[in-house]
Amino acid sequence: AQTVTQSQPEMSVQEAETVTLSCTYDTSESDYYLFWYKQPPSRQMILVIRQEAYKQQNATENRFSVNFQKAAKSFSLKISDSQLGDAAMYFCAYRSARGDTDKLIFGTGTRLQVFP
Amino acid sequence: EAQVTQNPRYLITVTGKKLTVTCSQNMNHEYMSWYRQDPGLGLRQIYYSMNVEVTDKGDVPEGYKVSRKEKRNFPLILESPSPNQTSLYFCASSQQQDTQYFGPGTRLTVL
Repeated sequence: AQTVTQSQPEMSVQEAETVTLSCTYDTSESDYYLFWYKQPPSRQMILVIRQEAYKQQNATENRFSVNFQKAAKSFSLKISDSQLGDAAMYFCAYRSARGDTDKLIFGTGTRLQVFP
Repeated sequence: EAQVTQNPRYLITVTGKKLTVTCSQNMNHEYMSWYRQDPGLGLRQIYYSMNVEVTDKGDVPEGYKVSRKEKRNFPLILESPSPNQTSLYFCASSQQQDTQYFGPGTRLTVL
């Protein structure tokens, strides 16, 4: 069975600085998707970034980028130029690309605090 | 506006009283899922559906039922709720295994 591990329950960063959130996963599948979701105090789940496993190029979305290491099964999120609005829970998630299932596995989350 | 809606947003009930949480999406998505979120455990998948009349268990299906009679709706049924089902529930939909869009969440308290 697939697992997703976020080993940092809490992280903090100063405004305008850069922070990296870690995520590792375990799977025997070769084709899958990886996601980072943000959950602010409103509890809404917001997609930050997605990565398709068959693409070697790391995904980027403005100030957010990932370091996808398929062999190491690592999928870290880098937030550059941190802003106060980035403070939230961040969840890493794995989704199989198999056509006969739609299991999606989340990590336990990392709470990010941003200090002025 | 493309969205996933859930109702109710908040619910306090008592042990054993059957309840239904509705979920509806207007994006014509094939795939829908239910999750529960508990402190320290992240989100865990309860049930998912890959098409009308096709549902399957996620990681924590015990105590829950679902149905998918129409493409847009995917209700979550708790036939005999218990206090350990007190949680934050999310519905989500997607076009196949692409990005999931989440509803706003339902906070359920079972006394």
